[in-house]
Amino acid sequence: DAGITQSPRHKVTETGTPVTLRCHQTENHRYMYWYRQDPGHGLRLIHYSYGVKDTDKGEVSDGYSVSRSKTEDFLLTLESATSSQTSVYFCAIRSGQLANYGYTFGSGTRLTVV
Amino acid sequence: GQQLNQSPQSMFIQEGEDVSMNCTSSSIFNTWLWYKQEPGEGPVLLIALYKAGELTSNGRLTAQFGITRKDSFLNISASIPSDVGIYFCAGGETSGSRLTFGEGTQLTVNP
Repeated sequence: DAGITQSPRHKVTETGTPVTLRCHQTENHRYMYWYRQDPGHGLRLIHYSYGVKDTDKGEVSDGYSVSRSKTEDFLLTLESATSSQTSVYFCAIRSGQLANYGYTFGSGTRLTVV
Repeated sequence: GQQLNQSPQSMFIQEGEDVSMNCTSSSIFNTWLWYKQEPGEGPVLLIALYKAGELTSNGRLTAQFGITRKDSFLNISASIPSDVGIYFCAGGETSGSRLTFGEGTQLTVNP
């Protein structure tokens, strides 16, 4: 197995509440990514991390924040969830020297904001 | 940012038929990757291409890295029901910082 797990797998939350999704890896990889997947949009990058405490924004970062206090965990936080953030969220790790060698994805978190 | 145009968006085929899908970009990529996503799971890497003109096979799957470096094709021969899923292309740049993904092709195979 790739050694990447996401939690929770499913979550329903109310508009305006904070939500934190967790990505955990056992591979000691430097790079980690958070994507959201929506019909018609494919996979869109939210934030990524290139080391402990080193993060950067992706193409759809508004309304999201991330933290990486240790190599194995990358947290995605929705400070005040909105219905437009209903989506499936995927975490990925970069297993090679370069992204060119591909990512390994977690199984996803299905988030519903009501 | 860079964009990948993946087509078709969806395909409905009969078991045994061959399938072809492609990705195009206005920018050059140095790597093309193809992923498959099954329901309830994350995408899984199928094929990686690293050289313009390269043709690579993985079982019934064949992918090609376009000579212009702006496109890639994935073919599936003799489709079977377990081929069902969403297929994504992804392009990688020389710097290797991150990948750009296409919007996906939803494949349905009727037995």
